[in-house]
Amino acid sequence: DVKVTQSSRYLVKRTGEKVFLECVQDMDHENMFWYRQDPGLGLRLIYFSYDVKMKEKGDIPEGYSVSREKKERFSLILESASTNQTSMYLCASRELAKNIQYFGAGTRLSVL
Amino acid sequence: GENVEQHPSTLSVQEGDSAVIKCTYSDSASNYFPWYKQELGKGPQLIIDIRSNVGEKKDQRIAVTLNKTAKHFSLHITETQPEDSAVYFCAASPNQAGTALIFGKGTTLSVSS
Repeated sequence: DVKVTQSSRYLVKRTGEKVFLECVQDMDHENMFWYRQDPGLGLRLIYFSYDVKMKEKGDIPEGYSVSREKKERFSLILESASTNQTSMYLCASRELAKNIQYFGAGTRLSVL
Repeated sequence: GENVEQHPSTLSVQEGDSAVIKCTYSDSASNYFPWYKQELGKGPQLIIDIRSNVGEKKDQRIAVTLNKTAKHFSLHITETQPEDSAVYFCAASPNQAGTALIFGKGTTLSVSS
């Protein structure tokens, strides 16, 4: 089974802190994604990476950056956390041959 | 870019009834349409998908239909059960390496027994 693992289920951070959300997949997928999920807004794409060291902005990249130094790991970075970044963050990886995306369980981030 | 609209946002049915969720998309280049189910506290999981070369696909109690001309696709769940209660997301994507799935806003389905 494909496994996408997000390092934390819950995080509480202070305004202004630098926050790292980590995601690891075990299926050698080239593509990885970070989404943000808010009630009534669905899943919004923050950034995606179609290969190591490659990244593309999604619909809401402001206030975020990403890092993909190894194929299996995709990190989302909040340079200076703000209260409006309180949300559920979902990581996904994609099997290119079938175009199927697999999601992690999510990280619920609270910024106080 | 692609835009996906999903309706309704909430749906309540009695156990045993059918449920239908509808989505429309804007980009005629999209050719892959998955549906995800998200249970409380979990990430979305793929339940069924359809590609543009077919009009309908079925998997036990779940079916998806696609109308490429009208740019809409629908999820049908028959004989609903309480464990079908979840948030359902539709999505659309061109089948290319450099593109991402675009999701609808989700439908919260509640099945009461």
